[in-house]
Amino acid sequence: DTGVSQDPRHKITKRGQNVTFRCDPISEHNRLYWYRQTLGQGPEFLTYFQNEAQLEKSRLLSDRFSAERPKGSFSTLEIQRTEQGDSAMYLCASSLGLRASKHNRAYEQYFGPGTRLTVT
Amino acid sequence: AQKITQTQPGMFVQEKEAVTLDCTYDTSDPSYGLFWYKQPSSGEMIFLIYQGSYDQQNATEGRYSLNFQKARKSANLVISASQLGDSAMYFCAMRSIIQGAQKLVFGQGTRLTINP
Repeated sequence: DTGVSQDPRHKITKRGQNVTFRCDPISEHNRLYWYRQTLGQGPEFLTYFQNEAQLEKSRLLSDRFSAERPKGSFSTLEIQRTEQGDSAMYLCASSLGLRASKHNRAYEQYFGPGTRLTVT
Repeated sequence: AQKITQTQPGMFVQEKEAVTLDCTYDTSDPSYGLFWYKQPSSGEMIFLIYQGSYDQQNATEGRYSLNFQKARKSANLVISASQLGDSAMYFCAMRSIIQGAQKLVFGQGTRLTINP
């Protein structure tokens, strides 16, 4: 399977614990995105990387959140001192780094299956 | 700031009928892209269709078409000949097409249920 993969698919943790999620993008994609989706809502942008550089971070990404993409391939998202409000689906997506064009579909972000986090 | 509004929390349609899912957007960017994604119960977001703001024709992808009305700032998704497998959440999203603008902004979604 050559799609975006995420690990783990589900994570249950106690409040105050640290958690780390991993995302493996499609191999030729140099852009990687993290989104958060709470129940009944659409996904909200958290951060994005072009290769190993983190180019944009949302205000939603508090100091407890950190994301890395050390070699421009896989990415990790860590949440420190988890809170119940962190319970959500964390979605990763990747895309080609080309100018948006209808004809080559470089604009398309391919999503992974997500990691569902439950903080108790 | 960009905003997507989907006013239909839920839609119920008979199998084989056509269905239109509404989406309106707000942006001050001169160039942007509009997307529709499907999210089944498994959780994965599946890309359906894309419309660029300067595209002259409405986008079509198989049974999906996008009714783009730029003056009204609407980008409705039309699904023809609906199937049971079309039951899912559907999200409208947009992205500015300027250098450095990469994030997708999503609406709240519409839950579509296809009845046999």
